[in-house]
Amino acid sequence: GENVEQHPSTLSVQEGDSAVIKCTYSDSASNYFPWYKQELGKGPQLIIDIRSNVGEKKDQRIAVTLNKTAKHFSLHITETQPEDSAVYFCAASIPNFGNEKLTFGTGTRLTIIP
Amino acid sequence: NAGVTQTPKFQVLKTGQSMTLQCAQDMNHNSMYWYRQDPGMGLRLIYYSASEGTTDKGEVPNGYNVSRLNKREFSLRLESAAPSQTSVYFCASRVRQGIPGELFFGEGSRLTVL
Repeated sequence: GENVEQHPSTLSVQEGDSAVIKCTYSDSASNYFPWYKQELGKGPQLIIDIRSNVGEKKDQRIAVTLNKTAKHFSLHITETQPEDSAVYFCAASIPNFGNEKLTFGTGTRLTIIP
Repeated sequence: NAGVTQTPKFQVLKTGQSMTLQCAQDMNHNSMYWYRQDPGMGLRLIYYSASEGTTDKGEVPNGYNVSRLNKREFSLRLESAAPSQTSVYFCASRVRQGIPGELFFGEGSRLTVL
């Protein structure tokens, strides 16, 4: 089955600097890669996603890049702000005739230092 | 707009006791999911219901049962709770299984089994 590895597990960044979280996946059939943000005491919330036919996607201060050859994808947050402090999860989805399987990474706790 | 609502938010059980976690969504989604979240292990799928009237096992189904009561409601039951089931449980919904897209999560139910 699919295995998704996420690094680092914790990350501290000075406010205003950039943060990068990296994930690798094992199954080349994976074709959908979402990123979720989980604030303290809340459920995860989708912040950005990318499909395998796209190499990069941006939404204001966040961007995701995908390298299908190397089987890794990354989340980039620029000009970090205190409200970016949260746990971030990557995931990879394998299509399977209407029964696709979504596998999550183990999470990265991002702390923005004021 | 409530989205996905879970009850209870907190529960303490003794080993061997049973309980049911309730979940309801008001987004007219076809598919619903139960995940558990443990430190360092990300989100793992317990059971899911692709559509009303169907349920399927996920990655970690042992010790759990589910019921898709109607299109809105999907419950998770622990028949005989064990300390290994101490976790945070999240219910989620999506428009339709098989079509990659956003998972909408509830705020979680923290369960402690003594």
